[in-house]
Amino acid sequence: EVQLVESGGGLVQPGGSLRLSCTASGFTFTNYAMTWVRQAPGKGLEWVSAISGSGGSTYYADSVKGRFTISRDNSKNTLYLQMNSLRVEDTAVYYCAKDSEDCSSTSCYAPFDYWGQGTLVTVSS
Amino acid sequence: SYVLTQPPSVSVAPGKTARIICGGNSIGSKSVHWYQQKPGQAPVLVIYYDSDRPSGIPERFSGSNSGNTATLTISRVEAGDEADYYCQVWDSSSDHANWVFGGGTKLTVL
Repeated sequence: EVQLVESGGGLVQPGGSLRLSCTASGFTFTNYAMTWVRQAPGKGLEWVSAISGSGGSTYYADSVKGRFTISRDNSKNTLYLQMNSLRVEDTAVYYCAKDSEDCSSTSCYAPFDYWGQGTLVTVSS
Repeated sequence: SYVLTQPPSVSVAPGKTARIICGGNSIGSKSVHWYQQKPGQAPVLVIYYDSDRPSGIPERFSGSNSGNTATLTISRVEAGDEADYYCQVWDSSSDHANWVFGGGTKLTVL
């Protein structure tokens, strides 16, 4: 059974940092791209970042580029999202999701077939 | 950047057919995925690559994509189908490839 469990959310002041983790099980982690998606309170889904199975290719939304860093440790079956220079508008539930395929050499186009339950990040003074 | 447009809400009586549209420039040339999200829960994939259904998703759910509109169709709607639905595409048309979600459509079962 595929399981994705996020952790690391919490309350942080504007300008602060936080690292989210997503521990995966039930599939061969290195064979699949992984993604972070967020949802602000009462709002829709917003894609944040994606990473290929090897970790060699990464993609970011314009809203987080230069502030967030996605990474993965395939030996630990864990996905990370390092979030720096946090803003009030980064407040959201952050979901990790498994892509149904790995990225190609130039893009990650496969749908997200499994999602974690999310972790809440609140940026407030 | 690429924009996907969905109606904020759709209402349908039980047993009828609901159609949720997702508009985008030449969306027919892209692969569209659809997600269902119920309150307090993570999204669930219900249609992928325009019209494929994951295992476990009822045959009542179907999808199509042509021109500037993709459509999620739910036949014989049930109370349990009440949820938010999001369309999604991968956009590589600009210099910055990325995933794009529609704004979401709240399906209300009357």
